[in-house]
Amino acid sequence: RKEVEQDPGPFNVPEGATVAFNCTYSNSASQSFFWYRQDCRKEPKLLMSVYSSGNEDGRFTAQLNRASQYISLLIRDSKLSDSATYLCVVKPRNTGNQFYFGTGTSLTVIP
Amino acid sequence: EAQVTQNPRYLITVTGKKLTVTCSQNMNHEYMSWYRQDPGLGLRQIYYSMNVEVTDKGDVPEGYKVSRKEKRNFPLILESPSPNQTSLYFCASTTSWRVGGTDTQYFGPGTRLTVL
Repeated sequence: RKEVEQDPGPFNVPEGATVAFNCTYSNSASQSFFWYRQDCRKEPKLLMSVYSSGNEDGRFTAQLNRASQYISLLIRDSKLSDSATYLCVVKPRNTGNQFYFGTGTSLTVIP
Repeated sequence: EAQVTQNPRYLITVTGKKLTVTCSQNMNHEYMSWYRQDPGLGLRQIYYSMNVEVTDKGDVPEGYKVSRKEKRNFPLILESPSPNQTSLYFCASTTSWRVGGTDTQYFGPGTRLTVL
């Protein structure tokens, strides 16, 4: 079983729409959670860390559900510039100091 | 400017010809990693290093070597490259929660390697 699983999409949404991605993780000892953004074969860049209480950064909201072992990312009022691949990243506590990436969810925002 | 640099950015080589991809960071981070990214498989960690002279295997270490003689540099070595190592490689440098950071990874621009 993969450490981290994401729906690859693609998600094609109109500008202004709200879109949500989920990501499930298999290791219940997971400690740190992140969403990264990757533009067309460029390097991934941190979008936001995900905290237990949930957190918001402008139009982006991240949630963590430890009981069900998933994290989510909500994007409100989608912009054309949000088109990218969104990567879910998990760092378990009991596997050394490795990071595990999901395969990514592709988002295209359409004018 | 805080950054992670990788060289070369593009490399086409032949099977068996040893190569090294360099990675350097100027943020004084202890933790550095190498990843490969393949379609449908996402980013997979090859090796990582918690500090100078400390390296550990990630998920896909076979066919790769690393060294960490200085804090800022973490080269990836392919002693005898094979076609299945054709991939996009990223180096990353991480702020550690242990020293007040947040486990944020900063990635280099990537190295696109083709092994013929």
